[in-house]
Amino acid sequence: GAGVSQSPSNKVTEKGKDVELRCDPISGHTALYWYRQSLGQGLEFLIYFQGNSAPDKSGLPSDRFSAERTGGSVSTLTIQRTQQEDSAVYLCASSLVGRPAPGNTIYFGEGSWLTVV
Amino acid sequence: AQTVTQSQPEMSVQEAETVTLSCTYDTSESNYYLFWYKQPPSRQMILVIRQEAYKQQNATENRFSVNFQKAAKSFSLKISDSQLGDTAMYFCAFMRGSNYKLTFGKGTLLTVNP
Repeated sequence: GAGVSQSPSNKVTEKGKDVELRCDPISGHTALYWYRQSLGQGLEFLIYFQGNSAPDKSGLPSDRFSAERTGGSVSTLTIQRTQQEDSAVYLCASSLVGRPAPGNTIYFGEGSWLTVV
Repeated sequence: AQTVTQSQPEMSVQEAETVTLSCTYDTSESNYYLFWYKQPPSRQMILVIRQEAYKQQNATENRFSVNFQKAAKSFSLKISDSQLGDTAMYFCAFMRGSNYKLTFGKGTLLTVNP
C-alpha cells in the first residue's frame, strides 16, 4: 500500500476484554515495529519484526501483550485482559530494512487509539 | 541506556518567523543517528530530518535545519519561515548505529500563530 495502515483507528473496550490491533505495512518493507504512546510514558518500543527472524519482544510490558506477523506482511498486536493502564495510542511502523542506512526511513501509521474503561 | 531530553514542553511562534526546538541526548555510542519527527493531530509520525553522527555537516531539508553539536550532545531543530501547517508535536529521537530501536524525547508542542 501507499502507507502504513492501521485498524481500528479508535477502540473503546471494557476492562478485562481482549483486543486486537492490526497493522498493514508498506509493501516490500521487511522490518515492522510497534510502539506505544501514552501520556505518562511517552513513546515506547514494544516489538520488532525483521523478515523471518525471531522477533525482538524486549519492549512488551507484560505477558498479556503478544504480536505476530503473518507471511512477512500484516501484523496483529493482541492485548489480553486489558487494564486501564493499557490505554494509549499504539503506533505501527515499517521500513525497508531494520537498520539505519541511507534512504532507509521508518514510516509510521496513524495509530490505533485504545481506551480501556 | 540512551536518553533523549526535550526541555521545552510547549513553544509558539508567529507565522513567517523562525523558531528553534532544543534536544539533548546522552549516549556512550560513537555510531548513531538522530531524528526529528513531527506528529500533527492526525497522529501520524512524519520524519522531518535525520542526522548521521559521523557527518560533521548539519542536515537541512528545505525550511528545516539542525544544529548538531556532537561534543555537547545537542541536536536542535530550526524551522524557518514558519507556516500554520507546522503546528504539531515535534519529537527528537535517537537510534544506535547497530540497532533499530528509536528512543524518543517527550516532545515539544509547537503552535504557529497567524
